[in-house]
Amino acid sequence: EVQLVESGGGLVQPGGSLRLTCAASGFTSGSYWMSWVRQAPGKGLEWVANIKEDGSGKSYVDAVKGRFTISRDNSKKTLYLQMNSLRAEDTAVYYCARLYSSSSGRALDFWGQGTLVTVSS
Amino acid sequence: IVLTQSPGTLSLSPGERATLSCRASQSVSSSYLAWFQQKPGQAPRLLIYGASSRATGIPDRFSGSGSGTDFTLTISRLESEDFAVYYCQQYGSSPYTFGQGTKLEIK
Repeated sequence: EVQLVESGGGLVQPGGSLRLTCAASGFTSGSYWMSWVRQAPGKGLEWVANIKEDGSGKSYVDAVKGRFTISRDNSKKTLYLQMNSLRAEDTAVYYCARLYSSSSGRALDFWGQGTLVTVSS
Repeated sequence: IVLTQSPGTLSLSPGERATLSCRASQSVSSSYLAWFQQKPGQAPRLLIYGASSRATGIPDRFSGSGSGTDFTLTISRLESEDFAVYYCQQYGSSPYTFGQGTKLEIK
């Protein structure tokens, strides 16, 4: 069974840092691109970042470029999101998700349960 | 690419047919258009990928169609568990944007 379990969320002051972790199981995580998606309280979904299977390719939404870094350790089947210079507008539930890709298309097919990040003084 | 979903809220009764729209500001490859369902307190669930392919375990009352800039999610006969928020997403051009969502509520 595919499982993604996020951890590392919590309350942090503006300007602070936090590292989120996503532990994968039930599949060969090194064979898939992975993504982070966030959802501010009561709002819609926002794609944040993704990373290639071997970690060699990364992309980010403009709102987090230069502040967030996505990385992975395939030997530990773990995805990370290092978040620096946090702002109030980064407050959200952060989900990790697996990117499925086939000849029919690609989409985020499995999601974790999310971890809440609250940026407030 | 901006995805605009309509309507914002759709009020229907169980057994009725639901039609949700997702319009893109520029052409999206059908291969990279997906639909998700989200219930309160839960993570999103993939329903449709490649504009029209059902994800594993998704009932056949859910169907997707469209191409270019106009895509549609249809639920043929609503069941009580279908009342939720639905999002479209394009995964063809970074940033991989979501629509703002359509809330499907019980009338």
